[in-house]
Formats: sequence, structure tokens, C-alpha cells
Amino acid sequence: EPEVTQTPSHQVTQMGQEVILRCVPISNHLYFYWYRQILGQKVEFLVSFYNNEISEKSEIFDDQFSVERPDGSNFTLKIRSTKLEDSAMYFCASLIPGQINTEAFFGQGTRLTVV
Amino acid sequence: QQQVKQSPQSLIVQKGGIPIINCAYENTAFDYFPWYQQFPGKGPALLIAIRPDVSEKKEGRFTISFNKSAKQFSLHIMDSQPGDSATYFCAAGLNYGGSQGNLIFGKGTKLSVKP
Repeated sequence: EPEVTQTPSHQVTQMGQEVILRCVPISNHLYFYWYRQILGQKVEFLVSFYNNEISEKSEIFDDQFSVERPDGSNFTLKIRSTKLEDSAMYFCASLIPGQINTEAFFGQGTRLTVV
Repeated sequence: QQQVKQSPQSLIVQKGGIPIINCAYENTAFDYFPWYQQFPGKGPALLIAIRPDVSEKKEGRFTISFNKSAKQFSLHIMDSQPGDSATYFCAAGLNYGGSQGNLIFGKGTKLSVKP
């Protein structure tokens, strides 16, 4: 069964450092998303990406965040200067639009720990 | 306007019981209501989703009931099993384009099914 793959599974970084979280969406999917989940809390939408540009973003997705699809397969989330409060699970998701029962498939997540 | 309120926060049932999780939404434009199941250390996985043209949808032991006028929907798990122990998230979004991946999640319900 096709799946969304995220790397690394766990990333520890020092406050102020840049991190890049990587995702390989399902190959024929066209919409891509990043979500975050602070420990024990709800899953929160960060950004959606379609046709090589951001289609929507939340208030959380400020200037410290950026997304990119550098090649035909990877979809990345960059946090420019990490803060302690960026510690969370980050989930990538992808979707193929246009189908009656389309759904977003989530990856296993990257646990980001900022120290 | 964008909130999805989910209750209860946690739920313990005996094997064979019927846990019920409730959600309420505010934005009347929402027309896509999925439920996601999340096991520890994993990403959310779609369990079942409903669109407002029906009041109930059943897939196996999982049933969604939808009340459009009350702006509420609920998940029932029939004949619950210990393997159903997980966190369940309701979500809401728009059913067009790639918006099925741009979701507002509830805070989650941690379900424990005792043997």
C-alpha cells in the first residue's frame, strides 16, 4: 500500500538552529500538507501546497517557516531559527484531488525536539 | 468559527462496549467530516468520513452519525476491542479541490478498551 514517508523520525536541534524536515508524498498525489502536534494536544494545520506554491497557511506558519518541493518527489518543511516551542511532532500529508472519496494520507511524523 | 469541539477527552470501556465520541463544529460551510485514529508514535490514519448528504455512515464496526441542523457528529464503535485503544480525532473541512487535507481537528479522545 502506498504511504507517505517522513525523515528523520526524530530530530534534536539546538535553539536557533535551522532544521529541514523531509517528506516523500504518495507518488500520484498533487496536494501536500504539513501539520504539527504538540505533545498531548490536537493536530494543527500549518500549510498546504499545490502546483508549486502555498495554497493556504495558518497563523502558526510565520516567516520562520518555509516549504519547498525541490524535486519531483520530496516535500520539505524548513524552520529557519528554531525555538523551544517548536518542539512537536510534525506530520506531512498528501492527497489526490478530484475523487469522490478522496482523503489525506498522513506520514508517521518527525519528532522535533528543540533544546 | 473555525473550532471543532470534541468530547470526552478520555474514555474507558469494557471489551464489547460501545464508546461514543461527540464533536461539534461552528462553520456551516464545512462539508467534510473525517475521523482519524492515532496509535502512539504513529501518524493519524483515516478511519471513516462523512459528507452532509447523509445522516449516517457505517463501515464495519464504526458508525458516524451526523446532525446537520445541530452541527454535530459522533463516532460509535460497536463491539469494541482492546485493539481499538487509541486516540480518536474528529475533523472538519471543505469538500472541494484539495481542501479535504486542510482540516480543523478536535482535541482528541483517548480511548481505552479493557479486556
